[in-house]
Amino acid sequence: DAKTTQPPSMDCAEGRAANLPCNHSTISGNEYVYWYRQIHSQGPQYIIHGLKNNETNEMASLIITEDRKSSTLILPHATLRDTAVYYCIVRFPGGYQKVTFGIGTKLQVIP
Amino acid sequence: EPEVTQTPSHQVTQMGQEVILRCVPISNHLYFYWYRQILGQKVEFLVSFYNNEISEKSEIFDDQFSVERPDGSNFTLKIRSTKLEDSAMYFCASRETPGREGRTDTQYFGPGTRLTVL
Repeated sequence: DAKTTQPPSMDCAEGRAANLPCNHSTISGNEYVYWYRQIHSQGPQYIIHGLKNNETNEMASLIITEDRKSSTLILPHATLRDTAVYYCIVRFPGGYQKVTFGIGTKLQVIP
Repeated sequence: EPEVTQTPSHQVTQMGQEVILRCVPISNHLYFYWYRQILGQKVEFLVSFYNNEISEKSEIFDDQFSVERPDGSNFTLKIRSTKLEDSAMYFCASRETPGREGRTDTQYFGPGTRLTVL
């Protein structure tokens, strides 16, 4: 699986958009970008994933650059409950593939 | 929405004792996983399980660990003789069967069992 680089921490004001960047310059053509988050020692929670097109669901939007070397997770209106560690993971689909977690970005939403 | 559940939420045991951590994966899922997270550290993969056998295991998953799917709904992790360093959060995850575009590979995690070895 390709390596990812994320800032260790970020702050965001409540109600504003949180934009979490991720670099994955060694991503290969068949690897997907996944985002998970972990709220204070709870189980990791799936947020969104994509291959090359931008994706949106009820939780977030995922913007992947045209060259696929980086992506941004957008939480459109951050709330205090969005305070968590956010993990950007690049991996091949299918098979028994485990999820390999890095240290992620600690997002602190400030009132 | 269906969820992965785990019991107990907190398990305290004495060093050398056996523990069994239980998980109920999402009902139509056929791929199962255990991960652990030592306090302040990354989430680490332990083992994956499919078709009643281990498909992959990490170096952490030594002979002290075993997994089982004893019936159609439960998935268990057994630690035969616990050590102090086994103290961690243990997360179960499950994944759908292949064949559905887009969501075939997403793993869904349970809330975890906090294991404390004294």
